[in-house]
Amino acid sequence: RKEVEQDPGPFNVPEGATVAFNCTYSNSASQSFFWYRQDCRKEPKLLMSVYSSGNEDGRFTAQLNRASQYISLLIRDSKLSDSATYLCVGTLSNTGKLIFGQGTTLQVKP
Amino acid sequence: ETGVTQSPTHLIKTRGQQVTLRCSSQSGHNTVSWYQQALGQGPQFIFQYYREEENGRGNFPPRFSGLQFPNYSSELNVNALELDDSALYLCASSFLGSSGANVLTFGAGSRLTVL
Repeated sequence: RKEVEQDPGPFNVPEGATVAFNCTYSNSASQSFFWYRQDCRKEPKLLMSVYSSGNEDGRFTAQLNRASQYISLLIRDSKLSDSATYLCVGTLSNTGKLIFGQGTTLQVKP
Repeated sequence: ETGVTQSPTHLIKTRGQQVTLRCSSQSGHNTVSWYQQALGQGPQFIFQYYREEENGRGNFPPRFSGLQFPNYSSELNVNALELDDSALYLCASSFLGSSGANVLTFGAGSRLTVL
């Protein structure tokens, strides 16, 4: 079993739609979690950190449920520019070793 | 503030050859991590270097080796290349201090094709 698992998609949604991505992790020792965004043939870039209390950044909302070992990302009012692969990421400690999920591909269509 | 730079951006090798990939860390960062990203997969942790020593390693064979230099730049060396080594190799730097590491900054990657 992979340490971080995501549905690879692709998710095809119209502009303006709300879309949610889910992610589960297997190692309860995982301490910190993030969502990264990766555009085609580019490097991953940090989208947002994920906190147990839930956090929001504009149209993006991230949630962490440690009891269920589950992470989510909600994107409201999807834009064409949101089309990318979204990577769920955990860390075992504060050493900088990131454990990536496979990534979920989002395609927003006009 | 300069970001993370990697070279070369693309290269083609044949099975059995050796390759060296280079990475310059972001200014102010002291730690470099290397990741391998195969097509359609998430990046996989290879190893991390801190203070010129390996500081953690993923599930990669010994033919994957690295170096970190006093200026915090780094190299990834892969010997006896195999077809499955074809991937995007990502370097990421961060600052590791007494309170832990800050967020990683990734370079644009080196895309290796093994024929």
